[in-house]
Amino acid sequence: DGGITQSPKYLFRKEGQNVTLSCEQNLNHDAMYWYRQDPGQGLRLIYYSQIVNDFQKGDIAEGYSVSREKKESFPLTVTSAQKNPTAFYLCASSIDVWGMDLGTEAFFGQGTRLTVV
Amino acid sequence: GENVEQHPSTLSVQEGDSAVIKCTYSDSASNYFPWYKQELGKRPQLIIDIRSNVGEKKDQRIAVTLNKTAKHFSLHITETQPEDSAVYFCAADRAQKLVFGQGTRLTINP
Repeated sequence: DGGITQSPKYLFRKEGQNVTLSCEQNLNHDAMYWYRQDPGQGLRLIYYSQIVNDFQKGDIAEGYSVSREKKESFPLTVTSAQKNPTAFYLCASSIDVWGMDLGTEAFFGQGTRLTVV
Repeated sequence: GENVEQHPSTLSVQEGDSAVIKCTYSDSASNYFPWYKQELGKRPQLIIDIRSNVGEKKDQRIAVTLNKTAKHFSLHITETQPEDSAVYFCAADRAQKLVFGQGTRLTINP
């Protein structure tokens, strides 16, 4: 199971704390994404990045922050401003050929389950 | 922006029967429509995809159909087996990213 790795698998956070979820890929993909998965709501996009040092907000970015200092890495910070952070977080990456108007497969990590205690 | 609706949310079929999951999308500019399977506790994985210049695509027991005029696409699984039990997600591309449906929990009854 190589390619895209998330850590940790389980994470517990106290109220008012910031936590950072790690996502690393060795697929040489330009594009990386963070999704949140809640029961019955599918996958909702938090942030995405198509190139190093650039990223864009997704549909539910409030209370989250990201950085993209290296092509291989796209960490997600869940801040204390996120009111309901308990969820399953999935990181994904893909070859960026969107400029050619071609969608491509997104490869997912194994996910991090975050619980607020 | 793109909105993807997926139905049904749960589906239960007898082993050996067929299963059909349907999705509709709103953005006529969408051109790429993948389907992902997520087994319990695991990551979503691509099982089949289709592009807008194709109306149907088949891979063994799995097929996807696309109606661009009506903006809907469907996943068909024939001769279902217990290992087909999982959550299935459809998606459509929008402005250089994928928008996912809400998911369908498929249960295959022996």
